Amino acid sequence: EAGVTQSPTHLIKTRGQQATLRCSPISGHTSVYWYQQALGLGLQFLLWYDEGEERNRGNFPPRFSGRQFPNYSSELNVNALELEDSALYLCASSPRRHSNTGELFFGEGSRLTVL
Amino acid sequence: AQSVAQPEDQVNVAEGNPLTVKCTYSVSGNPYLFWYVQYPNRGLQFLLKYITGDNLVKGSYGFEAEFNKSQTSFHLKKPSALVSDSALYFCAVRDRRDDKIIFGKGTRLHILP
Repeated sequence: EAGVTQSPTHLIKTRGQQATLRCSPISGHTSVYWYQQALGLGLQFLLWYDEGEERNRGNFPPRFSGRQFPNYSSELNVNALELEDSALYLCASSPRRHSNTGELFFGEGSRLTVL
Repeated sequence: AQSVAQPEDQVNVAEGNPLTVKCTYSVSGNPYLFWYVQYPNRGLQFLLKYITGDNLVKGSYGFEAEFNKSQTSFHLKKPSALVSDSALYFCAVRDRRDDKIIFGKGTRLHILP
């Protein structure tokens, strides 16, 4: 069974540009979570999608946005990139919201570097 | 608001000795609690979880964790450390009310040969 896949693995952008990161969950999983892992800050919760809808978001500015597609894959968009957006962005999936006890299955991450 | 604290940035343990990685949490109601491990340049891997029942939970690679409701703690333990246990460990809590999953800042575990 394929795990959570993320693309691209690495992405280099300049300040002010936009970045788009993609995530495919494990087959049968309907929930997708996005986290930012910046150096020294641990994992910061960004967004949670379940069955196509945004269910919750963390304390990030609106330029961080995303969506979930009918096949449950997801996209994270970061507009007007700033230097401090440089981080590893992790996607995780879990089974349908009301039938799981919460462990997440993580992808390998997308490393975004903003110059 | 829910939160997770891992008070130690780094823990050093000699190979063969017992290890403990500390975690305390704050959440309304009964939480789901988790431990994950991250090896260099990899995503996080699930180790174990507490949902309900016995306070001592056993997980992967010989790890276990003890849930203490009065101290709001969920410390990760292993009786005998291996060099291969060296990694970054994250504690996480899931609030049953809104399903938001919050992680601690992580503790880097170094097992010394």
